[in-house]
Amino acid sequence: GESVGLHLPTLSVQEGDNSIINCAYSNSASDYFIWYKQESGKGPQFIIDIRSNMDKRQGQRVTVLLNKTVKHLSLQIAATQPGDSAVYFCAENLQGGKLIFGQGTELSVKP
Amino acid sequence: EPEVTQTPSHQVTQMGQEVILRCVPISNHLYFYWYRQILGQKVEFLVSFYNNEISEKSEIFDDQFSVERPDGSNFTLKIRSTKLEDSAMYFCASSESGSGYTGELFFGEGSRLTVL
Repeated sequence: GESVGLHLPTLSVQEGDNSIINCAYSNSASDYFIWYKQESGKGPQFIIDIRSNMDKRQGQRVTVLLNKTVKHLSLQIAATQPGDSAVYFCAENLQGGKLIFGQGTELSVKP
Repeated sequence: EPEVTQTPSHQVTQMGQEVILRCVPISNHLYFYWYRQILGQKVEFLVSFYNNEISEKSEIFDDQFSVERPDGSNFTLKIRSTKLEDSAMYFCASSESGSGYTGELFFGEGSRLTVL
């Protein structure tokens, strides 16, 4: 069935440290994943995506790792800043734009 | 930067009343979506819409829900007879491509619906 979940509901890091947010999925046929950031009172905002033919993809200060063997992906944020405080969702992108979201991890950045 | 806009930002209604949530997708986008997020929970897919018809809908999207693109710019979600459990944040989204591989689903800021 369709299921995407997150390991931790909250994560607190010190400003300047690296953050790692994890996500597990259950459908081994899943081939496309997206990380979204949701700030308080706002809609989800696209951060980075990765296809199953890749293990790693990098953006600006963010890296997504995909381990298909254990059906796990992670989002790494380098040099975390206060503006990174938000809820982060992984989502499985099915055909036609249908997204299956995970539960979300709330990232808090301490100054 | 183009954006998806939604109105109202917050609506309070009585149980059993009809509600219409409005969205203006990004102008060159062809695929439209509604998602909802119950407070403290994950975002859930409701419906996708393309070429003036529903492409896919979830089991949440029952007969009480309908969508419409009444003109060239608006995309609406109607809940015919609201229930307490319909209280949630409703997000409209649009994308240029429906292939699912662009990753660029643009979300609006949401309409909070409170059913009393």
